[in-house]
Amino acid sequence: QVQLVESGGGVVQPGRSLRLSCAASGFTFSSYALHWVRQAPGKGLEWVAVIWYDGTNKYYGDSVKGRFTISRDTSKNTLYLQMNSLRADDTAVYYCARDGYSSVGLDYWGQGTLVTVSS
Amino acid sequence: QSALTQPASMSGSPGQSITISCTGTGSDVWNYNVVSWYQQHPGKAPKLMIYEVNKRPSGVSNRFSGSKSGNTASLTISGLQAEDEADYYCCSYDGSSNVFGTGTKVTV
Repeated sequence: QVQLVESGGGVVQPGRSLRLSCAASGFTFSSYALHWVRQAPGKGLEWVAVIWYDGTNKYYGDSVKGRFTISRDTSKNTLYLQMNSLRADDTAVYYCARDGYSSVGLDYWGQGTLVTVSS
Repeated sequence: QSALTQPASMSGSPGQSITISCTGTGSDVWNYNVVSWYQQHPGKAPKLMIYEVNKRPSGVSNRFSGSKSGNTASLTISGLQAEDEADYYCCSYDGSSNVFGTGTKVTV
């Protein structure tokens, strides 16, 4: 069965960096685009980034552009999110999700990992 | 990249129908048939309910349907059930990225 398992969250000081991972299993990793979506405590969903199935294209939300980098390693079936220059408003649960329909139809989601940016 | 606009809350009695709207900014919903809808229960990951405006993934009840007219997409829940009580979010492509709606809390 399809599984997405995020890791790497935790407490980090403002201005520092953190890398999230999302281990995928149960499907052909190289056939699907993958997204990161976040949700601040008590708030709504915010789209963060997408990487195409072959890694050739990457797009970012305005609030993270220039600070976050999405990547994928097909040999490890793992999606990453490198987060630099973290700010307090980056505090959120970060979900990875599979785009099952190539049209932002995110059909499988991980359980999420909490990132807290605080001094 | 402004969030799509949804009503903050809606309510209905069991068996009734409700329709949640999702209004775009002019560069997203209007231009692309790439609207999806997600249901989220407290403490859980979102679940895909509708993709490409009106398509239902396997396993999603046919009580859920989607549509679009101009700059506004809609999710209709027919025959409301207690388990439908949750937060609902729309999402659209805007030409270079994706944007979620503000979210609607549905109370049954």
